[in-house]
Amino acid sequence: SQQGEEDPQALSIQEGENATMNCSYKTSINNLQWYRQNSGRGLVHLILIRSNEREKHSGRLRVTLDTSKKSSSLLITASRAADTASYFCATGLNTGTASKLTFGTGTRLQVTL
Amino acid sequence: DGGITQSPKYLFRKEGQNVTLSCEQNLNHDAMYWYRQDPGQGLRLIYYSQIVNDFQKGDIAEGYSVSREKKESFPLTVTSAQKNPTAFYLCASSIDRTAENSPLHFGNGTRLTVT
Repeated sequence: SQQGEEDPQALSIQEGENATMNCSYKTSINNLQWYRQNSGRGLVHLILIRSNEREKHSGRLRVTLDTSKKSSSLLITASRAADTASYFCATGLNTGTASKLTFGTGTRLQVTL
Repeated sequence: DGGITQSPKYLFRKEGQNVTLSCEQNLNHDAMYWYRQDPGQGLRLIYYSQIVNDFQKGDIAEGYSVSREKKESFPLTVTSAQKNPTAFYLCASSIDRTAENSPLHFGNGTRLTVT
């Protein structure tokens, strides 16, 4: 079963609006990562947030992490058509030696002009 | 530019044939990974390798095989034993041998169609 689950599955907004995507996971984690995937392409890493961090920013991206609720959110502010893509969260097991990430099923974001 | 190269982009095979997907990286990363992506199911880990000449099964290794003879290369063979091989295959690497501690760098994938 997937460790991370994104919500919503699909999101359609207009350019200039903010987009919020959520990720819930099941077990303790060391870090959580967010990735973007354009159609038919590989994934691109966006942000890594550690379990002792609550919020992290990168340009128009803001990620929050609530370990007590086992959830994270990705906020894209002032969205652009180029932000149209699928967004995935990824988590690893908290063993210290885990060498694999588990990805959720993703949120498909459509930004229209 | 450093990166991961997957080839070919599209691959067509007849059922019952083995096929090998290429993955090469010039990032000098220790760890490499193969993921499979099906519509609506996200990414699932097939195999990973933390160091040359060593690799481990992921969550869906049955019907697949890999080798890691060189640091730069991690080819994936889809064998005839894989019951549903048609999918989008993604190769990735990370500088840290523990994937959760560092970003994964992905190639642009190979779309395999088996008929």
